[in-house]
This record gives sequence, structure tokens and C-alpha cells, in this order.
Amino acid sequence: GENVEQHPSTLSVQEGDSAVIKCTYSDSASNYFPWYKQELGKRPQLIIDIRSNVGEKKDQRIAVTLNKTAKHFSLHITETQPEDSAVYFCAASMRGNTPLVFGKGTRLSVIA
Amino acid sequence: NAGVTQTPKFRVLKTGQSMTLLCAQDMNHEYMYWYRQDPGMGLRLIHYSVGEGTTAKGEVPDGYNVSRLKKQNFLLGLESAAPSQTSVYFCASSYPGDPSYEQYFGPGTRLTVT
Repeated sequence: GENVEQHPSTLSVQEGDSAVIKCTYSDSASNYFPWYKQELGKRPQLIIDIRSNVGEKKDQRIAVTLNKTAKHFSLHITETQPEDSAVYFCAASMRGNTPLVFGKGTRLSVIA
Repeated sequence: NAGVTQTPKFRVLKTGQSMTLLCAQDMNHEYMYWYRQDPGMGLRLIHYSVGEGTTAKGEVPDGYNVSRLKKQNFLLGLESAAPSQTSVYFCASSYPGDPSYEQYFGPGTRLTVT
């Protein structure tokens, strides 16, 4: 089955700097890659996703890149703000009709 | 539109006791999921359902049972709770098609087994 590895497990950045979180997946059939943000004590919420027919997707300060050949994808957050502090999870699945397999999460701390 | 709701929010059980967690969604989603979240382990799928009357095992199904008698509800049962089942449980639902595959999560249930 699918296996998703996520790095780093913790990340601290200064406010205004960029943050990058990387994930690798094992199943070449996977073609849907979402990122979820979970604030302390809250539920995970989708922040951005990408499908295999696209190499990059951007939404304001966040972007996701996908390299299908290497089977890895990354989340990029620019101009980080304190409210970006949270745990971020990557995931992979074959389209939307198979369950997501999640990475173990990255705890991002943005230091003011 | 309440989205995904979970009952109860918190629960403390003694080893060997049983309980049922209820998940309800009002978005007419076909797919529903139960995850557990433990520190450093991410979200692990327990069971899921692709429609009313169907269930399937996920990554960590042992010790849990589920039922989906109505499309809007997905129940997670613990027949004989163990301390290893201390965790935060999240339910989620999704519509398995375009344009969005987004999974919507409930607020979670914090379960402690002593």
C-alpha cells in the first residue's frame, strides 16, 4: 500500500521567512496530494491540494510543487506570519475515491 | 449547515468498558472515515465507508467496529477498551468526485482509557 514520509517533523522560522515541508510517496498510482493544517486543539483543514496533471499550484502565500518522477511533493509558505504556526500534514491517494494516507506531520513554529 | 459533528467531545473509560462514538454529516457525502491521532503518528485510518450499508478496514482496525446504517451517520464502537486506545478520534466525510476531493473533519473526540 501507499506510504507517505514527511520531513522535517519540526520547523522553526523567523516571521517573514519562508518555510518548506517535503513529502515523498511510494505508490506511483497516487495522483491526488492535499495538504492539511491543524491548529492546536482544532480539526485538520485543507489548505491546498494538487493533482498529478499539474506540477505547481499557488494560492496567495502558499504553493505546492509536485515531482511525479521522483515521487515527492512540497509545501512552500512565503512571508510567514505567527498565525501560520500549526501542524501541517501531507497526504496522498489515488484520486478522491480511495482513502488518504497521511504523513506524520510537521510542527511549524513562526517566531515573531 | 453544521458540517461534520462528533459526539461526545470527551470521554474517560475504564479498561474493558465499551462505548460508541457518533459522527454525523449534513453535506450528503457518500464517503465517511474514522481516524485516530496520536502524538508523532499523524492521522491513521481506522475504518471507512463508501456509502450507506458499507464499511471497510483501514490501517489500524483492530479493537474497533463500525456501522453505517444511515448515509449521514457513521458509528465507531469500542467493545472492550484498552489503554492503547487512548487517543483523539476524528471523523471525516467527502464527496468522491470532482470538483473537490476535500475531506471535511469533525471537531474530534478525546478518549482516555485508564
